[in-house]
Amino acid sequence: GAGVSQTPSNKVTEKGKYVELRCDPISGHTALYWYRQSLGQGPEFLIYFQGTGAADDSGLPNDRFFAVRPEGSVSTLKIQRTERGDSAVYLCASSLQHYTAGELFFGEGSRLTVL
Amino acid sequence: SQKIEQNSEALNIQEGKTATLTCNYTNYSPAYLQWYRQDPGRGPVFLLLIRENEKEKRKERLKVTFDTTLKQSLFHITASQPADSATYLCALSAGGTSYGKLTFGQGTILTVHP
Repeated sequence: GAGVSQTPSNKVTEKGKYVELRCDPISGHTALYWYRQSLGQGPEFLIYFQGTGAADDSGLPNDRFFAVRPEGSVSTLKIQRTERGDSAVYLCASSLQHYTAGELFFGEGSRLTVL
Repeated sequence: SQKIEQNSEALNIQEGKTATLTCNYTNYSPAYLQWYRQDPGRGPVFLLLIRENEKEKRKERLKVTFDTTLKQSLFHITASQPADSATYLCALSAGGTSYGKLTFGQGTILTVHP
């Protein structure tokens, strides 16, 4: 597709369960980012990849959160032992590269609700 | 700690008027600043980028100013239309090896009334 694709668009889970959120960036974009947005707030940085490696994961809130990008394209954000406070919209974005100023292209987000 | 504040949670204006949104920051030395538009249930969409050594940028009905002394950016929409109604987010980046690592404000909800 032409844009950043995120699946699922909505996920409802129970406290303590494991969740995976997927992001398919724009073809050719080497930089990929995960952000989290709570209601009424701006997006908060979680992690970014340049190629396959996580270049900066300083925004991940704790070790229950992990993300991978094994082939430098699709990325998966994994959340273990989900808590109610994890409920938010998880946004993925991509850009041509990380080391020059440029716009981020965001997906529509995955809305996670932890009951 | 770093703080970004968009001064209005909500702004209501009449169609045809100029909307002015404010973004202030503290404890930050951004290399550049971006403005995004976000519609309900959608991801943010890029509008404009301005670098620290630029004072003003324009794109069609949009204008952004960046004052690193005042630590403030102003975002203007001239001849506003109801279709401009959305949440507008400012975002800062320190640059260097972190261009895409953005720190966002909380957003301003703009409503343009016909």
